[in-house]
Amino acid sequence: DAMVIQNPRYQVTQFGKPVTLSCSQTLNHNVMYWYQQKSSQAPKLLFHYYDKDFNNEADTPDNFQSRRPNTSFCFLDIRSPGLGDAAMYLCATSRTRTYTDTQYFGPGTRLTVL
Amino acid sequence: LAKTTQPISMDSYEGQEVNITCSHNNIATNDYITWYQQFPSQGPRFIIQGYKTKVTNEVASLFIPADRKSSTLSLPRVSLSDTAVYYCLVGEGTYKYIFGTGTRLKVLA
Repeated sequence: DAMVIQNPRYQVTQFGKPVTLSCSQTLNHNVMYWYQQKSSQAPKLLFHYYDKDFNNEADTPDNFQSRRPNTSFCFLDIRSPGLGDAAMYLCATSRTRTYTDTQYFGPGTRLTVL
Repeated sequence: LAKTTQPISMDSYEGQEVNITCSHNNIATNDYITWYQQFPSQGPRFIIQGYKTKVTNEVASLFIPADRKSSTLSLPRVSLSDTAVYYCLVGEGTYKYIFGTGTRLKVLA
């Protein structure tokens, strides 16, 4: 009964070659988040969707984009991956954006850039 | 700018109580403090959340002093399977969440 699913679990791409990571959820939550987590660091929020409303963090590079075609799915697009984009990418969901709402995380996609 | 800091690492033995602190000097008035556990190659998992004083659930307790500038996660009688990284999470402004620096807990037999 997986709740937040990320595909693929491991992704290898070449420098500069666009890549798309996928997240789906069975919780019917309104909010979907994308975090970047580099080795031995805490997750860092890139952006989130509240329903169809996209909310970008100020320090998220333009190289990172996101799409949410429906409630269940959200995609992270990296237009031109650099070596510094190698990381674990975590998708999370929550029912609303209030501070009391728990975020449910997927298992992550580990991105390698060659 | 909100900043949360935690000890980098802690070691403990099985059966002991472990207390992990998080400093969040600029926490907003209406913000809650949430703690997550993360195992290698997995996403963080919710442990406990609180606003003030003390909260307890089946796996942990959370102590928050009156000034709310820090919080302490307490894990009673840890086992080897509690070896993980523990993060506190607080809000910064509107709909922005900042993870603490994380504490790597190693439980020894």
